[in-house]
Amino acid sequence: AQSVTQLDSQVPVFEEAPVELRCNYSSSVSVYLFWYVQYPNQGLQLLLKYLSGSTLVKGINGFEAEFNKSQTSFHLRKPSVHISDTAEYFCAVSEIGYGNKLVFGAGTILRVKS
Amino acid sequence: EAGVVQSPRYKIIEKKQPVAFWCNPISGHNTLYWYLQNLGQGPELLIRYENEEAVDDSQLPKDRFSAERLKGVDSTLKIQPAELGDSAVYLCASSLGGSGYNEQFFGPGTRLTVL
Repeated sequence: AQSVTQLDSQVPVFEEAPVELRCNYSSSVSVYLFWYVQYPNQGLQLLLKYLSGSTLVKGINGFEAEFNKSQTSFHLRKPSVHISDTAEYFCAVSEIGYGNKLVFGAGTILRVKS
Repeated sequence: EAGVVQSPRYKIIEKKQPVAFWCNPISGHNTLYWYLQNLGQGPELLIRYENEEAVDDSQLPKDRFSAERLKGVDSTLKIQPAELGDSAVYLCASSLGGSGYNEQFFGPGTRLTVL
């Protein structure tokens, strides 16, 4: 069975600084990878996804992520964060051929300070 | 386009009482999911429907939880009786199909508090 590890439970960062949220996964088969964002009292919103092709994936709000198969990682990055990026971010994996079952990490709270 | 609708948004009940949550997916989405999100954790799949058929309910605690999607559109998740440990957010999601490349769209969730 697949699993997802988000290495940081909280990441504090100053406004306009770069940020990286780390995600590692474990699976015995090929996977699709996703990053979701959750603002307080709201549902999850898809930031970006890796299905195939280029390992560098660009998403909404200036975020991007890079799929590294050898390291089984899918880290999320943004070169310059804004106060409005303060939220919880979830990495998720879906095993190809096993239905659309998402397995989520525990989440990383990004706190952007002015 | 309307998103996934869930009601109620908040529910507070005494333990041993029954409770039900309702979800209306995005129009045309055949696949519907119920997730449980405990505080400080990521969502965990409870059940997945393809139209009216439950195709994955392996994580649903069937002694107290039940779900239905009778006409293949909206869905209800029920807990009877509720326990203190059921306090959590219950999320509903939908997608066009059941393949892994189909994006799942999430509702705002129902926050359940069991006293």
